[in-house]
Amino acid sequence: AQSVTQPDIHITVSEGASLELRCNYSYGATPYLFWYVQSPGQGLQLLLKYFSGDTLVQGIKGFEAEFKRSQSSFNLRKPSVHWSDAAEYFCAVAREYGNKLVFGAGTILRVKS
Amino acid sequence: GAGVSQSPRYKVAKRGQDVALRCDPISGHVSLFWYQQALGQGPEFLTYFQNEAQLDKSGLPSDRFFAERPEGSVSTLKIQRTQQEDSAVYLCASSLVFLQMGPYGYTFGSGTRLTVV
Repeated sequence: AQSVTQPDIHITVSEGASLELRCNYSYGATPYLFWYVQSPGQGLQLLLKYFSGDTLVQGIKGFEAEFKRSQSSFNLRKPSVHWSDAAEYFCAVAREYGNKLVFGAGTILRVKS
Repeated sequence: GAGVSQSPRYKVAKRGQDVALRCDPISGHVSLFWYQQALGQGPEFLTYFQNEAQLDKSGLPSDRFFAERPEGSVSTLKIQRTQQEDSAVYLCASSLVFLQMGPYGYTFGSGTRLTVV
């Protein structure tokens, strides 16, 4: 069965500092990988996705993620965090040619000024 | 519409009541999904429709949960005899592409927060 682990429940970074949110997945074949962001009371917004090809994926709002097959990881990064980035971030995996997403438990990002 | 619309935004139900949650997907989207998000957790898959056909209901937690999409557009998630453990945010998502993720992914609604008291 697929699973997603986000080891960090909470992360606090200073505004302007760099950010890395960790995600590890368990799946035998090539997965489809996603990062979503959720602000309080809002739905999930897709930041970026990886299906194949270049392992460094660029997303919206200045985010990027790198797929590392050898480490079963898909970590999310941003070089300089803005206060508006404070939210909860979810990593998710889907089967190749599948449909349902399996989500991690999420990482809450706090940004301090 | 421009996005996935869910109603009501908030629902408080007494234990034992039946509730119905509505999802209006993006027009023309073939696939529709329901997810349940408990407090402090990631969303968990409940069920999936392609047009009006319910192709996967493996995530429905009990036979008290029922979903339908009779005309292949609007979907309703019904929970009978609600229990406290049903308290969660129920998210609906729709996708243009059948089965394959393709370049589109999902578009999620803002969810319905159900509180069972």
